[in-house]
Amino acid sequence: DTGVSQDPRHKITKRGQNVTFRCDPISEHNRLYWYRQTLGQGPEFLTYFQNEAQLEKSRLLSDRFSAERPKGSFSTLEIQRTEQGDSAMYLCASSFARRTRRETQYFGPGTRLLVL
Amino acid sequence: KQEVTQIPAALSVPEGENLVLNCSFTDSAIYNLQWFRQDPGKGLTSLLLIQSSQREQTSGRLNASLDKSSGRSTLYIAASQPGDSATYLCAGAPRDGGYQKVTFGTGTKLQVIP
Repeated sequence: DTGVSQDPRHKITKRGQNVTFRCDPISEHNRLYWYRQTLGQGPEFLTYFQNEAQLEKSRLLSDRFSAERPKGSFSTLEIQRTEQGDSAMYLCASSFARRTRRETQYFGPGTRLLVL
Repeated sequence: KQEVTQIPAALSVPEGENLVLNCSFTDSAIYNLQWFRQDPGKGLTSLLLIQSSQREQTSGRLNASLDKSSGRSTLYIAASQPGDSATYLCAGAPRDGGYQKVTFGTGTKLQVIP
């Protein structure tokens, strides 16, 4: 399978616990994005990486959230001291930035987080 | 701030019918507009991408149009099938530097009845 993969697919945790999600992009893609989608809403941008550099972060990404892409390949999104409001689907997408700037983002299956 | 609206929120049609999904955006300075499909509990599948310089894109039974002046895009599905049942999302990417950061609509949930 050469698509974007995410792990785990589902996570149930208790409030106050830390969780970490992983995203493996399509291998030749240099850009990686994280989005959050709550029930009945469209995905909202959280952050993105160009190779290993984190170039933009949304205001939605509070200081409890941290994302890394240490080698410019896979990425992790960690949420510390989870709150019930963090319950959502976390989507990862990757793309290859070209000189023509025509860019298609390919999305993974998402990680559904439930904070009890 | 870009706002993207999709109407209707839900749509139910009999199999074989042609249908149109609507997407409106407030900021016409978009770089591109993309239509996605999302099946329940799943991630997103990109259907069509329209650059700001283009008017429409076609893929099989799908045709997407873009009218920046009116801030609208439509997704036309011909001869609908039960397998088309899903939520359809449109998303616009801004022109001003952060063009990678797309803004999504809330989606139209489509049900095609056999």
